[in-house]
Amino acid sequence: QSVLTQPPSVSAAPGQSVTISCSGSTSNIGNNYVSWYQQLPGAAPKLLIYDNNKRPSGIPDRFSGSKSGTSATLGITGLQTGDEADYYCGTWDSLYPVFGGGTKVTVL
Amino acid sequence: QMQLQESGPGLVKPWETLSLTCLVPGDSISSMSYFWGWVRQPPGRGLEWIATIYRTGSTYYNPSLRSRVTISIDTSKKHFSLTLISMTAADTAVYYCARLVRPRGNTVPTYFDYWAQGRLVTVSS
Repeated sequence: QSVLTQPPSVSAAPGQSVTISCSGSTSNIGNNYVSWYQQLPGAAPKLLIYDNNKRPSGIPDRFSGSKSGTSATLGITGLQTGDEADYYCGTWDSLYPVFGGGTKVTVL
Repeated sequence: QMQLQESGPGLVKPWETLSLTCLVPGDSISSMSYFWGWVRQPPGRGLEWIATIYRTGSTYYNPSLRSRVTISIDTSKKHFSLTLISMTAADTAVYYCARLVRPRGNTVPTYFDYWAQGRLVTVSS
């Protein structure tokens, strides 16, 4: 059972948009920054979003992050087949990193 | 592009000890801006944080693994290591070493920016 709650899966057709929610509490999301990671099949996680809504260099602006209260959201616009992956939210709870259970994005 | 490099066994017998090492290129292991950590992922499941260490040797452990885990760092050799004792089948997972970023003004890191490719460790006799 993960500390942060994500939907197991979301799907959409190419070109459409999806959002992935990440729900937590005041001890984690409510008082800490949220980050998002993309894990392509067979690969290591890759940082997509940090500090709630910032994108590292090289991450396209199709990916966006937001946070409100004890929840965070990852948005992907202009969905591409290469976006098929598992997506994880992460934050800190007290002094410890915690992750969501992951959301599988399927491009129909 | 930071490329962390893990080394260690891919197969461990039940109740034996796992030792993994992560080599850090360049000088960032001594930087005040970064922490270093281990995360694992059982087959088909999500990410689980194991432990984190700072250049000074300050350590942080997942409470559920604390009794079995040791993380250490050697800045002169540019590597940090993980030891997990009394391995069981439940410890079978891909183990990742990763860099954690501590933004200026923060006392703790806020995200993982680089991950190694991962090392599948299977516990089996």
